[in-house]
Amino acid sequence: AQKITQTQPGMFVQEKEAVTLDCTYDTSDQSYGLFWYKQPSSGEMIFLIYQGSYDEQNATEGRYSLNFQKARKSANLVISASQLGDSAMYFCAMRGIDGSGNTGKLIFGQGTTLQVKP
Amino acid sequence: DTGVSQNPRHKITKRGQNVTFRCDPISEHNRLYWYRQTLGQGPEFLTYFQNEAQLEKSRLLSDRFSAERPKGSFSTLEIQRTEQGDSAMYLCASSTGTGGLGYEQYFGPGTRLTVT
Repeated sequence: AQKITQTQPGMFVQEKEAVTLDCTYDTSDQSYGLFWYKQPSSGEMIFLIYQGSYDEQNATEGRYSLNFQKARKSANLVISASQLGDSAMYFCAMRGIDGSGNTGKLIFGQGTTLQVKP
Repeated sequence: DTGVSQNPRHKITKRGQNVTFRCDPISEHNRLYWYRQTLGQGPEFLTYFQNEAQLEKSRLLSDRFSAERPKGSFSTLEIQRTEQGDSAMYLCASSTGTGGLGYEQYFGPGTRLTVT
């Protein structure tokens, strides 16, 4: 069974500083994908970044980077130069291959609420 | 693309009533997913379709829940005999389903169900 754990219910960061949101995962799949989504108070889920289990380099997308440590089974999100608009809930998620070989569903963690202070 | 749309956006119903939600995916996407999200929690997978075929159902999807995607385009999620525990945000997402594990799921705005 796959599981995502986010141990930080809430985080604060000062505007323009960097922040790291933690994510650990558990899976027996050899191939899997790790995702981060942002959910503002308006409710829509916004895709931020993806890391494949066989990717040798950490993924980066603008101010977002994913610190992938496969041996530790962690996939932390780093947001650099925080902005007020980054205040939202952040979810780590995983996709693997099910018994039928179909890749489909995402398994989400409990989320971390980030508040950026001016 | 107009994005994933869901209707209605909000639904208030009395316990015991049936409700149906609709999801219209991005037009060229052949995969469609339903998730449920309760307050302060992450989305939980319910079911997904590839074209018309329902490929997986979660154990969360009790016999009171049924989902269809009759022509491989829009999908409906019906909850029969609603219970207060069904109160949640129901999210729909769609994707192309190609490109290995890394394809993105695009989420709709959700339908918030309140059962009184």
